[in-house]
Amino acid sequence: AIVLNQSPSSIIASQGEKVTITCRASSSISSNYLHWYQQKPGAFPKLVIYSTSYRASGVPSRFSGSGSGTSYSFTISRVEAEDVATYYCQQGSSNPYTFGAGTKLELK
Amino acid sequence: QVTLKESGPGMLQPSKTLSLTCSFSGFSLSTSGMVVSWIRQPSGKSLEWLAAIDWDGDKYYNPSLKSRLTVSKDTSNTQVFLKITSVDIADTATYYCARERELGGLDYWGQGVMVTVSS
Repeated sequence: AIVLNQSPSSIIASQGEKVTITCRASSSISSNYLHWYQQKPGAFPKLVIYSTSYRASGVPSRFSGSGSGTSYSFTISRVEAEDVATYYCQQGSSNPYTFGAGTKLELK
Repeated sequence: QVTLKESGPGMLQPSKTLSLTCSFSGFSLSTSGMVVSWIRQPSGKSLEWLAAIDWDGDKYYNPSLKSRLTVSKDTSNTQVFLKITSVDIADTATYYCARERELGGLDYWGQGVMVTVSS
């Protein structure tokens, strides 16, 4: 199985700050199959970025993604209070699909 | 409007079989490229993909659990089922079903159903 190593495991940021999360895969992944999800406390995960860099419907432009091969990143250009959540990367390139361990974003 | 909703027993005893249902609307599983997956999440932990069934009836399983999993769908293509045999405490989790479109990620999720395995 492809292991996804996400870092950092937690971030404490100020409103308006830029934050970046990295996701490193144990094997190369097609960029078409690397996705990012946001999960707020007590809620189900929500697709934020699909195929590395495409924003899902209704997702604000402050969210972006990039990467290729084994290294991917997810960025919030200016954190807002509503962005407090845990973020997960996920690969759908090979069976089994796998998720990163998550990055918990909190506000300072 | 795409919606999915999971249903299940809530609690069951170790060694029993867990049966889950995903009822969905707003899309047809008979449409080319459509997939419904099952994912679970123990409290406070990350997500684990379990199984999927696609528009053509092909089934996919997480190899680590394959011997215990069966995924199926109904003939009307509005429900997907998951059975997990021989459950134990480690199967305690919230179980989600989610829709996947080719190259689109898991774009719609159900609210999840919490399942507790306890004697």
